[in-house]
Amino acid sequence: DAGVIQSPRHEVTEMGQEVTLRCKPISGHNSLFWYRQTMMRGLELLIYFNNNVPIDDSGMPEDRFSAKMPNASFSTLKIQPSEPRDSAVYFCASGLGRQGIRTPSPTGELFFGEGSRLTVL
Amino acid sequence: GQNIDQPTEMTATEGAIVQINCTYQTSGFNGLFWYQQHAGEAPTFLSYNVLDGLEEKGRFSSFLSRSKGYSYLLLKELQMKDSASYLCAARNSGNTPLVFGKGTRLSVIA
Repeated sequence: DAGVIQSPRHEVTEMGQEVTLRCKPISGHNSLFWYRQTMMRGLELLIYFNNNVPIDDSGMPEDRFSAKMPNASFSTLKIQPSEPRDSAVYFCASGLGRQGIRTPSPTGELFFGEGSRLTVL
Repeated sequence: GQNIDQPTEMTATEGAIVQINCTYQTSGFNGLFWYQQHAGEAPTFLSYNVLDGLEEKGRFSSFLSRSKGYSYLLLKELQMKDSASYLCAARNSGNTPLVFGKGTRLSVIA
């Protein structure tokens, strides 16, 4: 079974450009999380969805960041305009919440994608 | 608020035992997780504790004391491939997201 799939794996862009990161969660999972990881701050939650609905976006740094989940198998994280301080590894993770109908992970752990390493020059 | 504390770095010798501690403060509690993350890779799930006590899984064990807000990850018979960051994470309740510590970078030396 495929894990969480993210694209692109690496992106280098210039300040002011729009960046779109993509995520395909594990089939059957009903929760999706976007995290950002830096050396200074570790793994920080940006936003999460349950059943495609955004539940908490209080971790989104500012209005330049937006995330969508149009269906159960796809989510995007967009940064517009990008700034050098946005440089980080962005991880998407999925999991099975209480409303899920399958229990492949009864502990409710999260499964992470390989991450998208973003460098903004 | 929520706070997860763990040491930044540790070094241990191949074949030895190492204990990585984690203290947490959360408004609620529904599980303590440990993840392993090799450099440049995704975090991968190692262990889960929701009740007090020790959970053993091969060379890795994890302990939880809810009253003390404390957990540790114990790695036995260390191997070079165990060199990685170990992330402690707590969940407040139900299906809320995991809150992660900054990770402990473990270096295993010969």
